[in-house]
Amino acid sequence: SQTIHQWPATLVQPVGSPLSLECTVEGTSNPNLYWYRQAAGRGLQLLFYSVGIGQISSEVPQNLSASRPQDRQFILSSKKLLLSDSGFYLCAWSVRGGRNLNTQQFFGPGTRLTVL
Amino acid sequence: GENVEQHPSTLSVQEGDSAVIKCTYSDSASNYFPWYKQELGKGPQLIIDIRSNVGEKKDQRIAVTLNKTAKHFSLHITETQPEDSAVYFCKGEKLTFGTGTRLTIIP
Repeated sequence: SQTIHQWPATLVQPVGSPLSLECTVEGTSNPNLYWYRQAAGRGLQLLFYSVGIGQISSEVPQNLSASRPQDRQFILSSKKLLLSDSGFYLCAWSVRGGRNLNTQQFFGPGTRLTVL
Repeated sequence: GENVEQHPSTLSVQEGDSAVIKCTYSDSASNYFPWYKQELGKGPQLIIDIRSNVGEKKDQRIAVTLNKTAKHFSLHITETQPEDSAVYFCKGEKLTFGTGTRLTIIP
């Protein structure tokens, strides 16, 4: 069966510090991968998605970046965190269907980031 | 991009009553309409979905109905139970989620 892991589960970071969140998927190959952010009590904002190694599409211009160094690994980074980066970060995967993103997504447990 | 509007934003229902949440989408080419449930502190999970070649799909107490002409689809939960309390999201064609509905079941 497929599983998706995210770490860390929680993180408290000062403004201006760097960030690295990691997501890995097990039990499937060639998945589409996604990063979402959820502010407190708000909806899901798509940040990045990837249809293959090294292929990253950015949905929101900001101080975050994403990388996919391996097929089942997706990393979210920042060089300098802002207060507004606080939120619940969710990684998700879906079955690869070329550029068709219109399928069920499976979400990880999330990372709660607080920037102070 | 596509717009997905979800209503209501909050909903309180007596245990045992029904709950209905509605989403309106803008992309007429959309053909996949899922609903996700997010419990506190967890990632969303798919609870039901429907493709555009059917008008209704049911899974025990949960159903989704689709009106392609009016471009809206709805989640129906019957005989609500306390464990149905959560935030529910619809999703449009291009990775656009609705704004969410916080459903509270009152015992």
